[in-house]
Amino acid sequence: ILNVEQSPQSLHVQEGDSTNFTCSFPSSNFYALHWYRWETAKSPEALFVMTLNGDEKKKGRISATLNTKEGYSYLYIKGSQPEDSATYLCGESGTYKYIFGTGTRLKVLA
Amino acid sequence: ETGVTQTPRHLVMGMTNKKSLKCEQHLGHNAMYWYKQSAKKPLELMFVYSLEERVENNSVPSRFSPECPNSSHLFLHLHTLQPEDSALYLCASSQDSGGSYEQYFGPGTRLTVT
Repeated sequence: ILNVEQSPQSLHVQEGDSTNFTCSFPSSNFYALHWYRWETAKSPEALFVMTLNGDEKKKGRISATLNTKEGYSYLYIKGSQPEDSATYLCGESGTYKYIFGTGTRLKVLA
Repeated sequence: ETGVTQTPRHLVMGMTNKKSLKCEQHLGHNAMYWYKQSAKKPLELMFVYSLEERVENNSVPSRFSPECPNSSHLFLHLHTLQPEDSALYLCASSQDSGGSYEQYFGPGTRLTVT
């Protein structure tokens, strides 16, 4: 596992807007891809763990897709709310290995 | 609450001090982890414990010494640290260390080395 890249680094959206972020990872020897939400002064909270190419997962207004052949995952937030403001981390894992990106910092403006 | 607690939440120590960070998980998990979060850098995995045995040590300097006395507790012993070791130290646990389970994180210890 080499580097995990996330983009954009930060963004501001208006309440009600939908948005998405990208996570890029080395596609060779892929095992699993994780998404976490990290609110200020709180613990990172798991959103999704994805292992299969073409996987799509959903939790409320948040969903994620996975393309292991080209090495990317998208996280979508539909109808953003102020409480969605957080840093969204993605990480690639293997046995005893976790490599995280630097995160996308989302600010939802009321 | 994630089921993972860390103490202390904040720690200031001099370079000649010895201190310890404590982590406890109440989830019945078999794997525990220490991470370092420095400003503007990704979360960096330091140590992995599986069933109380250290299975990974990612080239961490020996001034950081982990200890896992049982599957619920994890310590990070600190001695002769450097100012560049100032960071947020996060503990996490998961069902196992295979990488396919979500991790549960504690709130972290904000460490400042003076």
